[in-house]
Amino acid sequence: KAGVTQTPRYLIKTRGQQVTLSCSPISGHRSVSWYQQTPGQGLQFLFEYFSETQRNKGNFPGRFSGRQFSNSRSEMNVSTLELGDSALYLCASSFTSGPNEQFFGPGTRLTVL
Amino acid sequence: AQTVTQSQPEMSVQEAETVTLSCTYDTSESDYYLFWYKQPPSRQMILVIRQEAYKQQNATENRFSVNFQKAAKSFSLKISDSQLGDAAMYFCAYRTAEGAQKLVFGQGTRLTINP
Repeated sequence: KAGVTQTPRYLIKTRGQQVTLSCSPISGHRSVSWYQQTPGQGLQFLFEYFSETQRNKGNFPGRFSGRQFSNSRSEMNVSTLELGDSALYLCASSFTSGPNEQFFGPGTRLTVL
Repeated sequence: AQTVTQSQPEMSVQEAETVTLSCTYDTSESDYYLFWYKQPPSRQMILVIRQEAYKQQNATENRFSVNFQKAAKSFSLKISDSQLGDAAMYFCAYRTAEGAQKLVFGQGTRLTINP
């Protein structure tokens, strides 16, 4: 069974640009969550999508958005990039709810210059 | 809002010995899940062990076990017979039992294994 895949793995952008990151969950998983990991703030929840609907959102500005497609693949978009957006962005997928494990992808390393 | 605190930024242990990583959390909920995740240098987050709050029995997975003290809101991880491959960042995480799959993470503990 293939794991969670994220593309691209590495990305370099400049301030003011926008970026789109992609996440393909494990087959059968309908929930996709996104996390931002930085040395200063640690791991922070961005949002979760389930059945193409955003089910929960973390405390991030509106520049961070996402969506989920009918095949459960998800994208997150960051507009008007700032230096502080440089981070490892992790995607995790799972079944609907309960104590089910969230399986993480390898992450996308975003560098904003 | 729920918070998770890991008070040990770094820990080290001799190979084959036992080490315990600490985690405390704050919540007003009665039903929730707790997890320990491992993040090696590859950055791939891997689930080590999970505990459901309504279960009094402490979870165990091979060399990994937890000491879950619900009243004290404490959830420590014990690694027995430490191996070089255990070297990683370890994150304690909380998730509500209701609805969304939102993990609240602690700041992490970097574990070094000395040969």
